[in-house]
Amino acid sequence: EDKVVQSPLSLVVHEGDTVTLNCSYEVTNFRSLLWYKQEKKAPTFLFMLTSSGIEKKSGRLSSILDKKELFSILNITATQTGDSAIYLCAVERTGGTSYGKLTFGQGTILTVHP
Amino acid sequence: GAVVSQHPSWVICKSGTSVKIECRSLDFQATTMFWYRQFPKQSLMLMATSNEGSKATYEQGVEKDKFLINHASLTLSTLTVTSAHPEDSSFYICSADERGGIPDTQYFGPGTRLTVL
Repeated sequence: EDKVVQSPLSLVVHEGDTVTLNCSYEVTNFRSLLWYKQEKKAPTFLFMLTSSGIEKKSGRLSSILDKKELFSILNITATQTGDSAIYLCAVERTGGTSYGKLTFGQGTILTVHP
Repeated sequence: GAVVSQHPSWVICKSGTSVKIECRSLDFQATTMFWYRQFPKQSLMLMATSNEGSKATYEQGVEKDKFLINHASLTLSTLTVTSAHPEDSSFYICSADERGGIPDTQYFGPGTRLTVL
């Protein structure tokens, strides 16, 4: 059975801090790992990672994948109160009827205080 | 980026009634859409995969006769919760698969909050 585990489950920081969110996975027929940010509604896409060691960056957010050790990290530098959200990690399978299916981790609840 | 809409955004219904939720891809075609359910303080759980022009495939433990899925066109999938009960109250989210788009991945609708009294 596919498994995605995120840590920590919750994190409280102050504005300006840097945070690292972790995601480890076990999945057959791995295709990609995705990071999403969820505020009050549905998740919004952050990153999709398919190759090991290649950092993806968007503003203050960055992410990297290690396919050998089966984990990914999401870094947020100079956090702002607007970064407060649930961050979800998901892995996507490939092959046959599993194509495109996502298995989500439990999420990390990030709270950024002013 | 690609836009996916859901309607309604929230619905309250009486126990025993049926509720239909629509998921639309607004600016792209989606041969595959996915339906998820999210209970409070829990993560998203995949319920079923909706394929245009063919039957949906359901995840283990999801009753296909209770959660009817129809994917009649390349831009619309519907989920009907039949004979809803309070335990069906949840946040239902769809995603549409933009294969070949940049990035080549899924985009989520805004979700539908269902409350069954």
